[in-house]
Amino acid sequence: RKEVEQDPGPFNVPEGATVAFNCTYSNSASQSFFWYRQDCRKEPKLLMSVYSSGNEDGRFTAQLNRASQYISLLIRDSKLSDSATYLCVVDSGGYNKLIFGAGTRLAVHP
Amino acid sequence: DTAVSQTPKYLVTQMGNDKSIKCEQNLGHDTMYWYKQDSKKFLKIMFSYNNKELIINETVPNRFSPKSPDKAHLNLHINSLELGDSAVYFCASSQDQTAPLYGYTFGSGTRLTVV
Repeated sequence: RKEVEQDPGPFNVPEGATVAFNCTYSNSASQSFFWYRQDCRKEPKLLMSVYSSGNEDGRFTAQLNRASQYISLLIRDSKLSDSATYLCVVDSGGYNKLIFGAGTRLAVHP
Repeated sequence: DTAVSQTPKYLVTQMGNDKSIKCEQNLGHDTMYWYKQDSKKFLKIMFSYNNKELIINETVPNRFSPKSPDKAHLNLHINSLELGDSAVYFCASSQDQTAPLYGYTFGSGTRLTVV
């Protein structure tokens, strides 16, 4: 089983749509969780941290379910500029190592 | 000012050559990393240094040798380059060592092509 698993997509959605990405992780000792965004031929950039209580940043909402070892990202009112690959990221359980999922590609079209 | 800067941005070289990639961060972070992103876009950690000390060394061929002269710099030297080394190499840094709370800041990457 991969340490972090994501649906690779692509998700093709129209502008204004709501889209949700899911991610599962295998290490129950993991403590830090993130969503990163990576544009084509660019570096990954931190989108948001994910907290147990759930957190929201504008149109983006992240949820964590520790019991199911599951993380989600919801994007509301999609914009063309949201087109990118979204990486689910989990720490390795205290070893100062972040494990990256393979990413979910989102394409927002007019 | 770029927070994490890598040079060169592109590197094309022949098999068997030796090459180096440099990384510098001006964030005052204690920990720096090298990640490799292959053609399948999978990001994998290679090395991690905390305040000049090697703390993570994943299963990487010993042709790859990192060096950290100080906590703001982490370089990667690769000997006897092979076709399979072609990838994008990202340097990153983080503020803390265990269970990083704030994620990593990445450099813009070095696209290495071995021909």
